[in-house]
Amino acid sequence: NAGVTQTPKFQVLKTGQSMTLQCAQDMNHEYMSWYRQDPGMGLRLIHYSVGAGITDQGEVPNGYNVSRSTTEDFPLRLLSAAPSQTSVYFCASSYSRPGRGYGYTFGSGTRLTVV
Amino acid sequence: AQKVTQAQTEISVVEKEDVTLDCVYETRDTTYYLFWYKQPPSGELVFLIRRNSFDEQNEISGRYSWNFQKSTSSFNFTITASQVVDSAVYFCALSEASGGSNYKLTFGKGTLLTVNP
Repeated sequence: NAGVTQTPKFQVLKTGQSMTLQCAQDMNHEYMSWYRQDPGMGLRLIHYSVGAGITDQGEVPNGYNVSRSTTEDFPLRLLSAAPSQTSVYFCASSYSRPGRGYGYTFGSGTRLTVV
Repeated sequence: AQKVTQAQTEISVVEKEDVTLDCVYETRDTTYYLFWYKQPPSGELVFLIRRNSFDEQNEISGRYSWNFQKSTSSFNFTITASQVVDSAVYFCALSEASGGSNYKLTFGKGTLLTVNP
């Protein structure tokens, strides 16, 4: 099993460009989420999804869009990249909501730099 | 609101020393879950343990042990006889079962552990 696959691993964008970070899982997990990791800030939730067709905002959603058309895929779109979006992005999935006691399986991360 | 505090930003030890990583949490929920994750220098996040709020038994897995104390809202992680391969950032996390917060894990800011040979 591949688990959670994120692409690309590294990306450099110019301010104002848009792009999509891809995330796919093959574990038939109901729940998927995107976090960003910044130095000294830990991991902060951007968006999450509790099933195909259902998404919602996390703590830091501004500047990002998501959709969940299939159980497997949960792409994160940066609409107009800004230097403040320079970060490491992690996709995570779990069998069900974390509040039911399910921990995350994480992807390997995408290191994004916006210049 | 749920909150996780890892007061130790960085810890440096010499190999074979024991080290304890502190985690203090805040929640109003009576049912909740606590987690520890490890992030080695390669960057991936690896699940270590989950504990629910009704199980205060300590857990031991090899050189790793966890001490959960509801009375002090703490879930501390001890590595016995540390090794260089234990060098990593360690995250403590919390999820609540009820209310509007059951959709997420809330992470502490992490503790960078460096084990020197």
